[in-house]
Amino acid sequence: EADIYQTPRYLVIGTGKKITLECSQTMGHDKMYWYQQDPGMELHLIHYSYGVNSTEKGDLSSESTVSRIRTEHFPLTLESARPSHTSQYLCASSAGTGGRYEQFFGPGTRLTVL
Amino acid sequence: AQSVTQLDSHVSVSEGTPVLLRCNYSSSYSPSLFWYVQHPNKGLQLLLKYTSAATLVKGINGFEAEFKKSETSFHLTKPSAHMSDAAEYFCVVRTTDYKLSFGAGTTVTVRA
Repeated sequence: EADIYQTPRYLVIGTGKKITLECSQTMGHDKMYWYQQDPGMELHLIHYSYGVNSTEKGDLSSESTVSRIRTEHFPLTLESARPSHTSQYLCASSAGTGGRYEQFFGPGTRLTVL
Repeated sequence: AQSVTQLDSHVSVSEGTPVLLRCNYSSSYSPSLFWYVQHPNKGLQLLLKYTSAATLVKGINGFEAEFKKSETSFHLTKPSAHMSDAAEYFCVVRTTDYKLSFGAGTTVTVRA
């Protein structure tokens, strides 16, 4: 079944640790996105990718980095986690052009940095 | 720049009564608009989308929205609320070919 997956779903980690949030989709979509969402707030785009070897910064500045070596995989990395990184991170993907095609979202990773 | 404003941060309704979630948009061209729903501890699910076809758009779970260019609005409605409709709802506008801009969200609570 075509879907978009995120792991881990929940992560509690200490300050200074390096973490990678995984995102994979089985829909063959070329475009993928990372959003950050604080509780009760709107989503903010932090990274996006048009395809393999393409990555761009989003509207909200983030200390995280991303890579896109394979179409289906779009991991997000924090080299040194801080309490200010505590948030929910949502991955999404979309197909087609013109923005008509909706974005499909994963279940999210809720990150807590102590 | 394209953006959306959700006029209500919280809506509370009784089960079986209508639901209205208000959204105004700002766009320099004919917009693509979406409504997404987010249940607690879940990802976002698309309810419906407007892409310059019919102005009245029907979505899943009995929701529908009407695009009104003259009012720059895209309000979401449902004739009869169900307990399972309690969630966070986001109005979204396409800003470029690949990017979306989200509203602040409306929290819906349904009273038994």
